[in-house]
Amino acid sequence: DAKTTQPPSMDCAEGRAANLPCNHSTISGNEYVYWYRQIHSQGPQYIIHGLKNNETNEMASLIITEDRKSSTLILPHATLRDTAVYYCIVRAGWNTDKLIFGTGTRLQVFP
Amino acid sequence: SAVISQKPSRDICQRGTSLTIQCQVDSQVTMMFWYRQQPGQSLTLIATANQGSEATYESGFVIDKFPISRPNLTFSTLTVSNMSPEDSSIYLCSVQGSSPGANVLTFGAGSRLTVL
Repeated sequence: DAKTTQPPSMDCAEGRAANLPCNHSTISGNEYVYWYRQIHSQGPQYIIHGLKNNETNEMASLIITEDRKSSTLILPHATLRDTAVYYCIVRAGWNTDKLIFGTGTRLQVFP
Repeated sequence: SAVISQKPSRDICQRGTSLTIQCQVDSQVTMMFWYRQQPGQSLTLIATANQGSEATYESGFVIDKFPISRPNLTFSTLTVSNMSPEDSSIYLCSVQGSSPGANVLTFGAGSRLTVL
């Protein structure tokens, strides 16, 4: 699986957009980009995933560059409850097993 | 998505003892995964458990230390054997969803083990 690189920490003001970058320069054609987050003392929570098109759901937007070597998770209006560790993971889809977590980005949303 | 219940949610154990963690899912799932999260660290995959076959362990994890059972499609157990303080971690169960073309996992809340 392709490896990912994320900044270890970021800050964001409440109400502003949080843009979390992820580099995955060795991604291959059939690999999806997944984002999960882990709020303190909870299990990880799925946020969004994409292959090559930009994706949006009720939680976030995922922007994938045209060459697919990097992506950005956007929380459009961050709240204090979005404070968490955010993990970007690259993995092949279609009944493949296991997700391998990297070190993630610790997002701190401040008032 | 599936709902996962893990027991115990937390426990304090003595060195040299063993503890079994249970993972119950509200729907039938093919693949179940066990992860470990050491204090301040990311998640590390321990093993994949499929019903009807032996678990597949990741590098650095062995069956004697972390025996896993998978008796049916809704239940699995992970035992942490002969515990030492280094085993103090959160142990998480997860299952693969049914979203076609993608590998979306749902996680339990975890079992926090402290070994004295």
